[in-house]
Amino acid sequence: EVVLTQSPGTLSLSPGDRATVSCRASQSVSSTNLAWYQQKTGRAPRLLIYGASTRATGIPDRVSGSGSGTDFTLTINRLEPEDFAVYYCQHYDSSVPRYTFGQGTKVEIK
Amino acid sequence: EVRLVESGGGLVQPGGSLRLSCAASGFIVNGHYTTWVRQAPGKGLECISVMSTNGARVYYAESVRGRFDISRDDSKNMLYLQMNSLRVDDTAIYYCARGFADSGLNWGQGALVVVSS
Repeated sequence: EVVLTQSPGTLSLSPGDRATVSCRASQSVSSTNLAWYQQKTGRAPRLLIYGASTRATGIPDRVSGSGSGTDFTLTINRLEPEDFAVYYCQHYDSSVPRYTFGQGTKVEIK
Repeated sequence: EVRLVESGGGLVQPGGSLRLSCAASGFIVNGHYTTWVRQAPGKGLECISVMSTNGARVYYAESVRGRFDISRDDSKNMLYLQMNSLRVDDTAIYYCARGFADSGLNWGQGALVVVSS
């Protein structure tokens, strides 16, 4: 089973800063099967990135995903007030089938 | 527009049963992998069950295996989660979601299940 480890656990930043969230997989995975989500308090997760780097519909281009193998990154440039939330990476294992999530990274206002 | 709406959540005693429903619109449920993901209070996301497009492949997390059952009614475009032998640690928001593009999920708004005496 692939285990996803996100870092850091919490990121304290100011509006206008850049947020960089890391997701490390316990074994090499296909970029096709890696996604990122944003979750605000009391709301369902919202898809940001799928296929490691493809933005979902309506996601601005200051949000980007990159990486391959075991190391993936979510980058949010020029943080806006609505970006302060919890972010999760997720892997889809088609052989099971199963979706596995990282433990989450909270991006909070400094 | 893809939309998923869960219903059937509520308060149930330990050992009891509950069935969650998920009404899908904007897509056909048997054309996509569908999943139930839960989130305990203040915790992260846990995928507890997945059903393949043809229903032949089903996954259950170890935490619910033997107690929960995922099913689908293609004629109604509905997804279900039958939950039996509920425990206090099953308390969570339960989301149904649609898979696409080998990784992405579209989510419903969630249904709260509280298991308590």
